[in-house]
Amino acid sequence: GAGVSQSPSNKVTEKGKDVELRCDPISGHTALYWYRQSLGQGLEFLIYFQGNSAPDKSGLPSDRFSAERTGGSVSTLTIQRTQQEDSAVYLCASSFLLAGAYEQYFGPGTRLTVT
Amino acid sequence: KQEVTQIPAALSVPEGENLVLNCSFTDSAIYNLQWFRQDPGKGLTSLLLIQSSQREQTSGRLNASLDKSSGRSTLYIAASQPGDSATYLCAVKAEAGGTSYGKLTFGQGTILTVHP
Repeated sequence: GAGVSQSPSNKVTEKGKDVELRCDPISGHTALYWYRQSLGQGLEFLIYFQGNSAPDKSGLPSDRFSAERTGGSVSTLTIQRTQQEDSAVYLCASSFLLAGAYEQYFGPGTRLTVT
Repeated sequence: KQEVTQIPAALSVPEGENLVLNCSFTDSAIYNLQWFRQDPGKGLTSLLLIQSSQREQTSGRLNASLDKSSGRSTLYIAASQPGDSATYLCAVKAEAGGTSYGKLTFGQGTILTVHP
């Protein structure tokens, strides 16, 4: 079946602009995660959603970052007033459940470049 | 705070060699450990997932072991091939009930190059 998809694959934006990144998880997966991969920082957790529970936002680096998940499926990560340090690859993952021995499946990522 | 370390940072081997990648973690209260492969410019592909109660998992030429009490895991690749060239990442998922539950904590990765 289809895997996790993300759009756009690449995004170049000017400093100060807002951007939206989209993630379509695997159908039937209730848990959805956002991670960021940047040079020197490795892969770091940003936020996850599990069903109708309140999301875990503990990894969001600042209040310029927000995410929502509509209808328990598609998720959008929004970065307001982008800064150059926001340049990174943003990866989305999904799993069948948050709990239990379920693998997280990753999308191809969105490469964000802030100029 | 959980910290995951991978050694070596980079490895270059000739085709056909058996090799071992190492992963260590500071907090042994993990639910499971997952090994991933990442090709340049691509997302992550899950290779193996080991539950905290398991000692090892095998898939083809790959074998991953887990020693939870000592905070270590190894990924063994047999008869390496040029197509195995990629970055290998290990990640741990914290036990239920903690503030870190659900999220994966990643190591920095090992860049593997297998030359013909």
